[in-house]
Amino acid sequence: RKEVEQDPGPFNVPEGATVAFNCTYSNSASQSFFWYRQDCRKEPKLLMSVYSSGNEDGRFTAQLNRASQYISLLIRDSKLSDSATYLCVVPTPHSGGSNYKLTFGKGTLLTVNP
Amino acid sequence: EAGVTQSPTHLIKTRGQQVTLRCSPISGHTSVYWYQQALGLGLQFLLWYDEGEERNRGNFPPRFSGRQFPNYSSELNVNALELEDSALYLCASSLAGGAGEQFFGPGTRLTVL
Repeated sequence: RKEVEQDPGPFNVPEGATVAFNCTYSNSASQSFFWYRQDCRKEPKLLMSVYSSGNEDGRFTAQLNRASQYISLLIRDSKLSDSATYLCVVPTPHSGGSNYKLTFGKGTLLTVNP
Repeated sequence: EAGVTQSPTHLIKTRGQQVTLRCSPISGHTSVYWYQQALGLGLQFLLWYDEGEERNRGNFPPRFSGRQFPNYSSELNVNALELEDSALYLCASSLAGGAGEQFFGPGTRLTVL
């Protein structure tokens, strides 16, 4: 299994739709997780952090299933402005666990249509 | 509060040349990370510096190198440029640790002709 694997997409949904992205990770020692958003030709920006079973922020819900090594991001009532690439990010241990690096998934492109 | 800054924003070089990219982290952040994002591809981890030392390195050849200065700013150097080095180079910073949230700069877009 790859370190971080995401739905390849792209996803095209109408405004108001609910859309979910999935992400799996290979290292069971990973403890915290992130979803970043990247607009076209811009830098990634943190969308949500996930430290326990899940996190909710308005229309966005992130869920974590440690047993299955699976993270999801749910967007409800999609807006045109949600169109972006969503990156699943997993800290993976390095050098015996004292150092970590963030491993980014390849991203899932979402386009919300009027 | 100022975010992560990078310079230059754009750069055009020819094959075989050398380039230096610069990054200033958010005030109080001691860790700086460099990533390469080629067109249509995901972020590839390049280097991580913390407290002036290299902590981790991605799967890139030795012609990619860098350093971190006492004020925590950082440089990324790429020698003997190749066409496939054309990409967006992103710098990010975080509080020390490596597993925490990273904040990205706007990137430097490098084109190698």
